[in-house]
Amino acid sequence: QVHLQQSGPGLVKPSETLSVTCTVSGASVSSYYWSWIRQPPGKGLEWIGYIHYSGSTSYSPSLKSRVTISLDTSKTQFSLKLSSVTAADTAVYYCVGYTNRRLDPWGQGTLVTVSS
Amino acid sequence: DIQMTQSPSSVSASVGDRVTITCRASLGISTWLAWFQQKPGKAPKLLINDASSLQSGVPSRFSGSGSETDFTLTISSLQPEDFATYYCQQANSFPLTFGGGTKVEIK
Repeated sequence: QVHLQQSGPGLVKPSETLSVTCTVSGASVSSYYWSWIRQPPGKGLEWIGYIHYSGSTSYSPSLKSRVTISLDTSKTQFSLKLSSVTAADTAVYYCVGYTNRRLDPWGQGTLVTVSS
Repeated sequence: DIQMTQSPSSVSASVGDRVTITCRASLGISTWLAWFQQKPGKAPKLLINDASSLQSGVPSRFSGSGSETDFTLTISSLQPEDFATYYCQQANSFPLTFGGGTKVEIK
């Protein structure tokens, strides 16, 4: 069974870089497009982007200038970095595996608050 | 980007009721549509993909239908554990996009 475990700080200061990591177990890293999705408090879901084992990435046009998703195959981890954050980036961030056009499984979610 | 529009945004229903949620895509997406259920404080759970394929372990009272631009999620007989927020999501092209959600509340 594939399991995604997230880690990262819950508080980031404005203008700094948000960073969240997801550790994969039970699956080959080559089997999925490893994705990030976020959800502001009380609001809907927003796809951020993905990275594939091949190194290919795709990002949301609205976030592309600030987002980097990376993959560490030796640690079976993938990470999200979002730079120059503002209060509007306060959200629960989810790591998700995407394959065969299915977003599944999901990590447990990490609430990241942007505040000084 | 493909815009996904869900309706209604909320619905009040009783246990045993039949509930229908609709989702409309701004462009034709074949059957590349998924439905998720989300409960407070939890990650979304995939219920249906490819418009009508029920995920393993999902009760048969859930069903999905539709193609191209118009889709439906139906709960045939609402159970207490079904009170949650439901989202549709298109998997036709990147960026992946979601509907705004439908909150199913207790009447």
